[in-house]
Amino acid sequence: AQKVTQAQTEISVVEKEDVTLDCVYETRDTTYYLFWYKQPPSGELVFLIRRNSFDEQNEISGRYSWNFQKSTSSFNFTITASQVVDSAVYFCALSDIQGAQKLVFGQGTRLTINP
Amino acid sequence: EAQVTQNPRYLITVTGKKLTVTCSQNMNHEYMSWYRQDPGLGLRQIYYSMNVEVTDKGDVPEGYKVSRKEKRNFPLILESPSPNQTSLYFCASSLSFGGNTEAFFGQGTRLTVV
Repeated sequence: AQKVTQAQTEISVVEKEDVTLDCVYETRDTTYYLFWYKQPPSGELVFLIRRNSFDEQNEISGRYSWNFQKSTSSFNFTITASQVVDSAVYFCALSDIQGAQKLVFGQGTRLTINP
Repeated sequence: EAQVTQNPRYLITVTGKKLTVTCSQNMNHEYMSWYRQDPGLGLRQIYYSMNVEVTDKGDVPEGYKVSRKEKRNFPLILESPSPNQTSLYFCASSLSFGGNTEAFFGQGTRLTVV
């Protein structure tokens, strides 16, 4: 069965600090996709990234970066030089062939950036 | 603009009073689904539809119904709402299923059943 674990329920940092959100997943499939979504206080879900299981290259997008490690089944998300606008709940999600009709979400990490 | 539209955004209702949350997408997507979000549980799938007249249960379908009579619409029906269905609901659509295409989410519907 598929499972996504975000062990950090809440994180609070001061602005300009770097912060890493952890995501560990379980799947028996060799082909799968991993996602990160941001949910700002307004409530909508904002797509951040999709990564397939065959692409282990790390990705950087501005202050955001993602570290995908198949060996540890992790897909961690780092925000560099955090800003107050980064405050949100962040979800990691998995989709694989076995459960192809859905996204399996982690519990979410509430990130608070204090000025 | 490509979007998934849910209505209403907020709803407070009483136990047992039937309600429908509408979902519409303008991207000609075949695949649509409903999720509920609860604290500490993330989002869980309620129902999904792979095309018109094709629907199936997700992980938490009890107490919900759906229909897919048109490709663009996928309403969520609560025939007899109960307080444990108080939650934040999201509709999503994608071109296909399997994770290799992006899922577009609606703005969410916050439902309170008293």
